[in-house]
Parts: sequence; C-alpha cells; structure tokens
Amino acid sequence: DAGVIQSPRHEVTEMGQEVTLRCKPISGHDYLFWYRQTMMRGLELLIYFNNNVPIDDSGMPEDRFSAKMPNASFSTLKIQPSEPRDSAVYFCASTGTSGGPDTQYFGPGTRLTVL
Amino acid sequence: DAKTTQPPSMDCAEGRAANLPCNHSTISGNEYVYWYRQIHSQGPQYIIHGLKNNETNEMASLIITEDRKSSTLILPHATLRDTAVYYCIVRRWILTGGGADGLTFGKGTHLIIQP
Repeated sequence: DAGVIQSPRHEVTEMGQEVTLRCKPISGHDYLFWYRQTMMRGLELLIYFNNNVPIDDSGMPEDRFSAKMPNASFSTLKIQPSEPRDSAVYFCASTGTSGGPDTQYFGPGTRLTVL
Repeated sequence: DAKTTQPPSMDCAEGRAANLPCNHSTISGNEYVYWYRQIHSQGPQYIIHGLKNNETNEMASLIITEDRKSSTLILPHATLRDTAVYYCIVRRWILTGGGADGLTFGKGTHLIIQP
C-alpha cells in the first residue's frame, strides 16, 4: 500500500486566496483525520470522519475552514479566505478499526505558507 | 484522555538503549498508553501501545508500571535515524463496535542520538 497520500506537499499563497488541501487515505480505512501543526500550538486535531461522515469538527478554528469527504478514498480541507496565521503543516491520517485498537497512519503533510 | 508528562529532551549514544519515560498518573482503567514519534519534516509514526502488560515489537519495547501511572519506551539499540520527537499519549479504546477518535499530542520528548 502507498500509505496516506497528501497533495500538494508545499503550497505558497497570498492572503485572501482560497487553498485546498487533498488527502487519499489508506484503502479500507474507515476513519480519516485532519491535523495541523505549528510551532506555537504543536499538533492539534481539526476534524475527523467515519465512513465519510464528519464526527467531530470542534477543532476547526473558524468558519473559513471546511472539510469534506465525498467518498472513501478522498478528502479535502479548504481554507477560504486564507490568512498568514493559517501557515502551518497540515497532516491527514487514517485508521481502520475493525478487529483491534486503532493506530493512525499519517501522511507526509502539506506545508502551507500564506504571505 | 489522561494527561501525560514527558521530559522535553534527552540524549543517547548511538548503539545504546534509549529509555524514554512518561508519567500518566491520572490514567483510567480503560485507557491505553500509545507511543508515536515524529522524525523531522515527516508525519507522526505509530510505535507501540499497551494496556497493562509489557509489550514488544520490532521497533521498541513498552514497560508499564504495575500501578499504570508511568511507562517507559525502550529503543534497544538506538541509531541516528531514531532522532525524533517521541509522544506518549494516553487514550481510551472504544470497545463497542470498534471506533476511534483523534489523538491529543503534548510536547513530547526530543530524543537526540549522538554518534
């Protein structure tokens, strides 16, 4: 398996622009998570899905952030409009829980820079 | 999830065993101890988890005290590639029908393997 795939790996944009981050989870996994990592706040959970349905979005910082999972193999995290404080590394992770305790598999991350 | 306390940094000589401590004095009976690590510029990586018995896999060993209030992750023969931030996370496993929720990361221990 290729593992969790994220794109783009790096994104540089200007304040006010829309940004879309993409994630392909490991095939067969039924949970998908979005995390954000900054120097100030560390790694924090933004939102997670189970069977394509959002379960907990309490970590989404503002209405400018939205996430979707239209099918089991694809999810997007959108920021509109973007702001410099959104600069961070965004990680996607997935896990399959059938049969045992969950362990999450993380993608390589998308490094977002908002100028 | 119970709170964990880890030293901010540790050094270890290459080839020696690295012992990373974690305190989790408020752990509940249904909470597991998980360890993840994050190598620079990569996504976090699952290492090992345990409930109350000591555990070993190809990456590491996990020693949990009898009262479960602390644990130690052991990397038996540390290499330079083991330099990373190591996170100790205490969380429940949702037993009914499987299940998962997000990980809560602390600041972790920055382990530096010295040549």
